[in-house]
Amino acid sequence: AQSVTQLDSHVSVSEGTPVLLRCNYSSSYSPSLFWYVQHPNKGLQLLLKYTSAATLVKGINGFEAEFKKSETSFHLTKPSAHMSDAAEYFCAGRGNEKLTFGTGTRLTIIP
Amino acid sequence: DTGVSQNPRHKITKRGQNVTFRCDPISEHNRLYWYRQTLGQGPEFLTYFQNEAQLEKSRLLSDRFSAERPKGSFSTLEIQRTEQGDSAMYLCASSSGGLEKLFFGSGTQLSVL
Repeated sequence: AQSVTQLDSHVSVSEGTPVLLRCNYSSSYSPSLFWYVQHPNKGLQLLLKYTSAATLVKGINGFEAEFKKSETSFHLTKPSAHMSDAAEYFCAGRGNEKLTFGTGTRLTIIP
Repeated sequence: DTGVSQNPRHKITKRGQNVTFRCDPISEHNRLYWYRQTLGQGPEFLTYFQNEAQLEKSRLLSDRFSAERPKGSFSTLEIQRTEQGDSAMYLCASSSGGLEKLFFGSGTQLSVL
């Protein structure tokens, strides 16, 4: 089964600076990987997904992620953070007919 | 709003009581998932339905938990004889065919006193 590890429980960046949220995966076969965002009192929203097509995946709100098989990583990036990006971010992998989520990274944006 | 709807948003109950949550998926979505999320953790899979059939249950779903999806539309999740360890956010998600795009509801926050 697919499992994912989010390396940072909390990341703080200044508004306008780059964002990097790290996710590593473990799988014996080609994975399907996802990033979700959860704002307070809201449901999880899909940011982007990797399903064995292009290794650089572009998502909503200016986010993108690069699948690196050699590093078993699927890190989420954004060139310039905005205050509205403050939220909890979850990396997820597909295992059979369900998603397995990481423990989450709380992103704080400093004005 | 035609998103996934969950009710109630919050539920406070005493230990030993039974509680029931409801999830209304997006219309025409044939798959419905239940997840549980505790503080500081990611969502954990509980169970899922394809139409009215419950196809998989997690080991997290003890005998006190039961989920139904009559007629393949809304779903209910019941917890009997609640325990303090059941306190969590219960999330529902639906999709039109698979995991490629799940739509999540805002969840039901359960507090067991």
